[in-house]
Amino acid sequence: AQSVTQLDSQVPVFEEAPVELRCNYSSSVSVYLFWYVQYPNQGLQLLLKYLSGSTLVKGINGFEAEFNKSQTSFHLRKPSVHISDTAEYFCAVSEWDDYKLSFGAGTTVTVRA
Amino acid sequence: DGGITQSPKYLFRKEGQNVTLSCEQNLNHDAMYWYRQDPGQGLRLIYYSQIVNDFQKGDIAEGYSVSREKKESFPLTVTSAQKNPTAFYLCASRTPPRDRGTNNEQFFGPGTRLTVL
Repeated sequence: AQSVTQLDSQVPVFEEAPVELRCNYSSSVSVYLFWYVQYPNQGLQLLLKYLSGSTLVKGINGFEAEFNKSQTSFHLRKPSVHISDTAEYFCAVSEWDDYKLSFGAGTTVTVRA
Repeated sequence: DGGITQSPKYLFRKEGQNVTLSCEQNLNHDAMYWYRQDPGQGLRLIYYSQIVNDFQKGDIAEGYSVSREKKESFPLTVTSAQKNPTAFYLCASRTPPRDRGTNNEQFFGPGTRLTVL
């Protein structure tokens, strides 16, 4: 069974500064990796996903993530954040033939002017 | 537009009452899920269904029940046996993991916030 660790529960950042959200996972088999964003009192929206191929994945809203198999990490980055990026971000992993997703505890990003 | 709808958005329940949360999808997905979200704990899986008339317990199924009589619908009942039901509940759906062309991602509804008074 897989598990997901998001290393930061809260990340405060100033507008137009870069941000990195860290995610590590544990699994003994090949996995698929996802980052979701949740705005207050809403459902989750997919930011990006890694299924196979290039380890650098680009998503919506200027986000990107890099899959590092040797370090079992899938860190999310954005070079310049906006106030509207204030939200909670979840890293998730599934094994290739599994119906289920395992989620990290989430990272709350607060962007200040 | 295709998507997942959940109703109601807010729900209040008295202790000892059962309540049912609705989840409907028109994405033609076979698999559907229910998650519970509490602050600082991420999403925890309650039940999931891979196909009509079949469902499996997730990690925290005690005090909950589901049914899957139609492909489009996967209602969740929070029973009086659930000790601490106040939470945000999310429904999701996806295509089967081995389908060709599957995106492997889960699509989420807008959620229902349940409060026990």
